[in-house]
Amino acid sequence: DAGVIQSPRHEVTEMGQEVTLRCKPISGHDYLFWYRQTMMRGLELLIYFNNNVPIDDSGMPEDRFSAKMPNASFSTLKIQPSEPRDSAVYFCASSSSGRWVTEAFFGQGTRLTVV
Amino acid sequence: AQKITQTQPGMFVQEKEAVTLDCTYDTSDPSYGLFWYKQPSSGEMIFLIYQGSYDQQNATEGRYSLNFQKARKSANLVISASQLGDSAMYFCAVSYSSNTGKLIFGQGTTLQVKP
Repeated sequence: DAGVIQSPRHEVTEMGQEVTLRCKPISGHDYLFWYRQTMMRGLELLIYFNNNVPIDDSGMPEDRFSAKMPNASFSTLKIQPSEPRDSAVYFCASSSSGRWVTEAFFGQGTRLTVV
Repeated sequence: AQKITQTQPGMFVQEKEAVTLDCTYDTSDPSYGLFWYKQPSSGEMIFLIYQGSYDQQNATEGRYSLNFQKARKSANLVISASQLGDSAMYFCAVSYSSNTGKLIFGQGTTLQVKP
């Protein structure tokens, strides 16, 4: 399996622009997570989905952030409008329920810089 | 709030020696999972080891072992025979929701292995 695939790997955008981050989870995994990593706040869970349905979005910082999972093989995290404080590494991870050890497998991350 | 504490922001260890990275957590839930992830300078998150709260024996995976002290709510990672490639950031994480992979992370410990 190719693992969790995120695109783009790097994104530089100007303040006010819309940014879309993409994720393809591991085939067969029924949970998908979006995390954000910053120096100040560490790794934070933004939102997670089960079987394409958002379960908990309490970590989404504000209305500028939105996430969708239209099907089992694709998810997006959108920031509109973007701000410099959104600069971070955004990770997508997926996992499979029904196993006793349910580790999450992470993508390579998208490094977002908003200038 | 559930909190994971890694008290060592940075650690040094001599190559071939063992090192212990500390992790304590706060929970009143009887069922939870403890995870350790490694993040090398390239940025990806690599799953290392897992311990379930009901597991009687400490988990081991190759050179990694988890020193689980349930009463003290600690789950320290022990790396034996350190290698230069072990230099990385190490994150302790707890899953309070069984079978989902949803993780709460500590702040991380940076480990540097000296030749």
